[in-house]
Amino acid sequence: QVTLRESGPALVKPTQTLTLTCTFSGFSLNTGGMCVSWLRQPPGKALEWLALINWDDDKYYTTSLKTRLTISKDTSKNQVVLTMTNMDPVDTATYFCARTFYGDFYFDYWGQGTLVTVSS
Amino acid sequence: EIVLTQSPATLSLSPGERATLSCRTSQSISNLLAWYQQKPGRAPRLLIYDASTRATGIPARFSGSGSGTDFTLTISSLEPEDFAVYYCQQRPDWPITFGQGTRLEIK
Repeated sequence: QVTLRESGPALVKPTQTLTLTCTFSGFSLNTGGMCVSWLRQPPGKALEWLALINWDDDKYYTTSLKTRLTISKDTSKNQVVLTMTNMDPVDTATYFCARTFYGDFYFDYWGQGTLVTVSS
Repeated sequence: EIVLTQSPATLSLSPGERATLSCRTSQSISNLLAWYQQKPGRAPRLLIYDASTRATGIPARFSGSGSGTDFTLTISSLEPEDFAVYYCQQRPDWPITFGQGTRLEIK
């Protein structure tokens, strides 16, 4: 079955770089059409899509955070990594990774999420 | 960027009642809209995609309709487990965007 799991630090300091890893199983990012996205949700607020990487290593980013985000994949480890630079307290959120299909872009499987707090 | 506006922000109903949730988009998106359900402390769950197609395992009491800029999620008869927050999402335009959510609470 398809599973995704996010991992990374629970606490980062302002200005630091956040690195999150999504480890998945039940599908392969070598398969045509397959994509993994990162999304986040500040406490009590709405979902925000951040980035997407597809099987062909094409990458898409949300406009407002494009300069701070980098998404990459390691297909041998079934992992997708998101880095976000210059973290700020407003970046405090639960970060999710999710699977989708290229051209579809609906998120059918999600990780449980990981809460990242930005504080000095 | 396409903006999605959901209404109402909060909907208070009783089990057994019918729920109607709205999502309006700032540009026409044909039928390329999804609905998600999210319970506290949990990841969202895909309910409806392409405006009206139920995802795998979603009960028939959930239905979606609409096209262009106006979309509706209907829950025909509320079960206790349906009280949650619901989000709409558009996908034809980058960046992918979500609505701000409708909280469905027990009256």
